[in-house]
Order: sequence, then C-alpha cells, then structure tokens
Amino acid sequence: GAGVSQSPRYKVAKRGQDVALRCDPISGHVSLFWYQQALGQGPEFLTYFQNEAQLDKSGLPSDRFFAERPEGSVSTLKIQRTQQEDSAVYLCASSLPPSTGGFGYTFGSGTRLTVV
Amino acid sequence: SQKIEQNSEALNIQEGKTATLTCNYTNYSPAYLQWYRQDPGRGPVFLLLIRENEKEKRKERLKVTFDTTLKQSLFHITASQPADSATYLCALDFPYGNNRLAFGKGNQVVVIP
Repeated sequence: GAGVSQSPRYKVAKRGQDVALRCDPISGHVSLFWYQQALGQGPEFLTYFQNEAQLDKSGLPSDRFFAERPEGSVSTLKIQRTQQEDSAVYLCASSLPPSTGGFGYTFGSGTRLTVV
Repeated sequence: SQKIEQNSEALNIQEGKTATLTCNYTNYSPAYLQWYRQDPGRGPVFLLLIRENEKEKRKERLKVTFDTTLKQSLFHITASQPADSATYLCALDFPYGNNRLAFGKGNQVVVIP
C-alpha cells in the first residue's frame, strides 16, 4: 500500500488480557520498527526487523512483549498479561535499509492501547 | 548515557514569523539527525535529514542546521502558517546501528493567526 497501516487504531484491554497489534509496512521496505509512545513523550524504541529477522529486541520492556514478522512483510506485536503501565500508543515504522547515512522512517498512525 | 533535549514549553508564534526550535544532544556524535512532525492522534511524519558533514539543509519553508561542535540542531519554519501548528521531534542515530533512531520528547509549535 501507499503507507504503513496499523490495526486496530484503538484497543481497550482488561488487565491480564493478551493483545495483538498488527502492522502492514510499505511494500518493499525491508526494515520495520516498533516504537512505544507515552503521552507527552517521544517514541521509544522497542524492536527492529530486517526482513523476517529480528535483529534488535533490546527495547522490549519485559518478556511479556513479543514481536514477529514471519514472512518479512506484516508484523505483529503481542503483549501478554497486559498491565496498566502498558497503556501507550504503539507505532510501527518502515524504511529502506541504511546505505550512506540513513533514511527517514514512514510511520503508521499507531494503535492506542488502554489497559483498564 | 546519550540524551536528546528539546524545549518542553510550547512555542507560540504569530503567523508569518519564523519559528525556531532547538535540539541538543550529549555523549555522542551522530552520523545524521532527522526532524519529524507529529499531529495529535497521528504518527510522526519525516521532514528532513541532515548528515554530520552538512551544515544546513532546506526544504521549502523549512531549514535545519547541524552544529556538531555545539552538539545542536536548529529547526526553522519561515513564514509560519496556522497549518504548521504541530509537535516537532528530532531524532538521532545513536550508536545502535540497524538504522535505529532515538527521539527527543518533541516541541509543540502553535501558530497564531
């Protein structure tokens, strides 16, 4: 598609529930990133994929967070046993791989997760 | 550890004037720096990238400077318009590799008609 698509746009989960957030990157973009953005803050890195390989997951806050991109296109971020501190906007971005100095990301509109 | 600082106070500016935002960073020399615009309820939108060997970059009414000695970037919006009202984020490639970016908290701009 023309842009990065994320679904759902809004998700309300009861504490302890598992959630799955989907990201459809721009076709041909091999790099895919997940970021978490709390209210009034900048995006914080969670994890990075190059094609289907998860090359960096150092930003995942706990082992309740899991991400996959099995065929190198669509990615899913899963949060198990959600807690209130997981409430945030989850942003997905894709980009061309770096060459001489980096490229801008294209972000989706995000999924706003509220844990009650 | 690396740190990116943007002014937390909103910048209120009269339409037609130049808005100037500052991004300061510490403890690292990035290869490039990027600026994004974010509107409420939307993801950030890429505006400009400037490399460490570039002093200045322009795109339409936007201008970015990069001073690696001061560890600072300035972002200018000339002839500002109400439609420029948004939050502007700076981002750096802190030494993570993998094209990973670290973002500042953002600086809100409000252009008053």
